[in-house]
Amino acid sequence: DAKTTQPNSMESNEEEPVHLPCNHSTISGTDYIHWYRQLPSQGPEYVIHGLTSNVNNRMASLAIAEDRKSSTLILHRATLRDAAVYYCILRDVDNQGGKLIFGQGTELSVKP
Amino acid sequence: KAGVTQTPRYLIKTRGQQVTLSCSPISGHRSVSWYQQTPGQGLQFLFEYFSETQRNKGNFPGRFSGRQFSNSRSEMNVSTLELGDSALYLCASSLGYQYDTDTQYFGPGTRLTVL
Repeated sequence: DAKTTQPNSMESNEEEPVHLPCNHSTISGTDYIHWYRQLPSQGPEYVIHGLTSNVNNRMASLAIAEDRKSSTLILHRATLRDAAVYYCILRDVDNQGGKLIFGQGTELSVKP
Repeated sequence: KAGVTQTPRYLIKTRGQQVTLSCSPISGHRSVSWYQQTPGQGLQFLFEYFSETQRNKGNFPGRFSGRQFSNSRSEMNVSTLELGDSALYLCASSLGYQYDTDTQYFGPGTRLTVL
């Protein structure tokens, strides 16, 4: 399984944008990039996913580098509720069934 | 639409006992996956069931087992509990058809403490 690398922690101020990076230099052409986050005392929740082009949804945006070796999750205006551990995960069609491989993730703290 | 539910939410057992955890997926979802979360190892995949069949298995000893019923509800069992089995056990449900884009929806977890 392709590996992802994320910073252990990041800090942000409330109402400012946050850019969470993820490196995945061994990504294959069929790997989708998924992001999940885990709020304190909760199970992980899906945030966004993409393959090649940038993606937006109501929660966040995903910017994917042209060579796909890195990606960035963008929270446009961080709120206190966005304080969580964010996981970048690669998945492909041969991903051996419904298996998410979680790394250590990035712990995001948001200051008021 | 109701989310993924897990019961019980908290459980205390002693070493050597066995435990059964239950997971009810979102209606219409046929895949249920189980994960173990500990401070030291993070989130680790245990196994996945789809249409009552185990489709994938993580690297855990045989003391960890599971099953899925015809209504997609799933149970996992841990026999001969060890102190190291203390963890948050999470289940996640999904439609289960597209491995690369399938979204998993997680329950709140069962916090197991082994004394």
